[in-house]
Amino acid sequence: ETGVTQSPTHLIKTRGQQVTLRCSSQSGHNTVSWYQQALGQGPQFIFQYYREEENGRGNFPPRFSGLQFPNYSSELNVNALELDDSALYLCASSTPGQGQNSPLHFGNGTRLTVT
Amino acid sequence: SQQGEEDPQALSIQEGENATMNCSYKTSINNLQWYRQNSGRGLVHLILIRSNEREKHSGRLRVTLDTSKKSSSLLITASRAADTASYFCATDAGAAGNKLTFGGGTRVLVKP
Repeated sequence: ETGVTQSPTHLIKTRGQQVTLRCSSQSGHNTVSWYQQALGQGPQFIFQYYREEENGRGNFPPRFSGLQFPNYSSELNVNALELDDSALYLCASSTPGQGQNSPLHFGNGTRLTVT
Repeated sequence: SQQGEEDPQALSIQEGENATMNCSYKTSINNLQWYRQNSGRGLVHLILIRSNEREKHSGRLRVTLDTSKKSSSLLITASRAADTASYFCATDAGAAGNKLTFGGGTRVLVKP
């Protein structure tokens, strides 16, 4: 069973640029969620994808967008990067078919630095 | 916004001692989960407690949930240096599930 993998592990971008982060979900998991974790804080929910459609969104502006592919992998895109977007971006997969009470399986994240 | 708030923010103990951390939240929940994060890495799920449960055990971990007080506690018994990490509580309150709201975490240092 393969776990959740994210790429790249680290990324440095300039303010105003665009970035794409990638995530492969754990085998058998059809739901992918993205979280943003600023330094010293807890993760904040960005959005969730289920069967290739957005299935809930947190308090993030539209310049944060995503995709889910038929193989359940996912991308997070951020346009017009701002300095405050510097954070660890975490992808997590899960199996909602088991009901509401299923844990999340996290990848190790992508560390994004915006200068 | 963060629904869960952990207390204390940081904890330093000797190996072999117990570590207790608390979590408070604001709204009704389906379940509450605890996660561990080693520095700069992803979160690892530790334990999930449903809203109709009051206590749950997993190895050296004991979690309690008091829905009337909207609070939970995580106890790690006989701590080890490898338990050094940040611990987060997360609540699942949505109808569709798995959209977690995390607290700010408790940073635990276990000294050998």
